Amino acid sequence: RKEVEQDPGPFNVPEGATVAFNCTYSNSASQSFFWYRQDCRKEPKLLMSVYSSGNEDGRFTAQLNRASQYISLLIRDSKLSDSATYLCVVSPYGGATNKLIFGTGTLLAVQP
Amino acid sequence: NAGVTQTPKFRILKIGQSMTLQCTQDMNHNYMYWYRQDPGMGLKLIYYSVGAGITDKGEVPNGYNVSRSTTEDFPLRLELAAPSQTSVYFCASSYSSSGRTSYEQYFGPGTRLTVT
Repeated sequence: RKEVEQDPGPFNVPEGATVAFNCTYSNSASQSFFWYRQDCRKEPKLLMSVYSSGNEDGRFTAQLNRASQYISLLIRDSKLSDSATYLCVVSPYGGATNKLIFGTGTLLAVQP
Repeated sequence: NAGVTQTPKFRILKIGQSMTLQCTQDMNHNYMYWYRQDPGMGLKLIYYSVGAGITDKGEVPNGYNVSRSTTEDFPLRLELAAPSQTSVYFCASSYSSSGRTSYEQYFGPGTRLTVT
């Protein structure tokens, strides 16, 4: 079983749609959780951290379910500029090394 | 601040050649990392460093070497290049100190390497 699993997509949605991505992780001792965004042929960039209570940043909402080892990202009112690959990222170690485990990503294509 | 810079942007190597991928950060981050990203795959950690003079292996270190003589620089050396090392290489950095840990990693723009 992969340490971090995501649906690769692609998700093709019209502008204005709401889209949700899911991610599962295998290590129950994982400490921290993130969503990164990667544009085509570019480097990954942090989109948002994911907190146990759930958190929102504008049109983006992230949820964490530790019992089910499941993370989600909801994007409301999709924009063309949201087209990218969304990487689910887990820190199974915490503390001294800041090591991260990356999922393979979910491709989102927002259509006009 | 330039952030994390990498050189070269592109490189084609012949099998058996060697090269060094350069990575520099100007954010005074103590942690630095090298990843490779193959098509349809997640980023895989090659090597990382928690400070000058300290390096450790990641998930896929075979065929690579690193050094960290300064806080700013973290070069990745490929010895005897093989086609399996064709990939996009990303360098990243982050900051941590006692009592404060930032897990955000800042990435460089990447080096696209082809070995033929």
